[in-house]
Amino acid sequence: KAGVTQTPRYLIKTRGQQVTLSCSPISGHRSVSWYQQTPGQGLQFLFEYFSETQRNKGNFPGRFSGRQFSNSRSEMNVSTLELGDSALYLCASSLSGPQETQYFGPGTRLLVL
Amino acid sequence: AQSVTQPDIHITVSEGASLELRCNYSYGATPYLFWYVQSPGQGLQLLLKYFSGDTLVQGIKGFEAEFKRSQSSFNLRKPSVHWSDAAEYFCAVVGTSYDKVIFGPGTSLSVIP
Repeated sequence: KAGVTQTPRYLIKTRGQQVTLSCSPISGHRSVSWYQQTPGQGLQFLFEYFSETQRNKGNFPGRFSGRQFSNSRSEMNVSTLELGDSALYLCASSLSGPQETQYFGPGTRLLVL
Repeated sequence: AQSVTQPDIHITVSEGASLELRCNYSYGATPYLFWYVQSPGQGLQLLLKYFSGDTLVQGIKGFEAEFKRSQSSFNLRKPSVHWSDAAEYFCAVVGTSYDKVIFGPGTSLSVIP
């Protein structure tokens, strides 16, 4: 089985721009979660989707949004980028929710200049 | 408030020595508990998880963890560390399937040959 894939792997943007990151879960997995990892704040939960519905959202501003498609693939979008958005963005998939084993992708490293 | 603490930011051990990484949590009820490992430049990999039952849990790569309800702890152990175990280790908790995952700050493990 193919693992969780994330595209792109690396991204450089400038302040004020927007960015869209993509996550393809393991086949059959319907839950996708997104996390932001930074040296200062560690791993923080962004949101979780299940069957195209957002079930939970972390404490992030409205500039951070996401969606899930009928094939369980997910995207997250960050609008009006700020320097502090520079981070590793990790996606994880599981069969039905984060209480189960989550399989993580390699992440997208975003640098905002 | 729900939280996870990992008191040791960084630990150095000699190859072949035993290892114990500490994790304490604050949660309304007994949550699902996880240990993840992250090698440099990679996503997270699940080492083991605890939901219920036997409080001593066996995981991959020779790791085990013990859940102690009275101490709200879920410490990770390995009897003999290998150089390839050098990585960042994260403890995590989650409640119901609709709950957000809370990660600890991580413990960085260095292994001296």
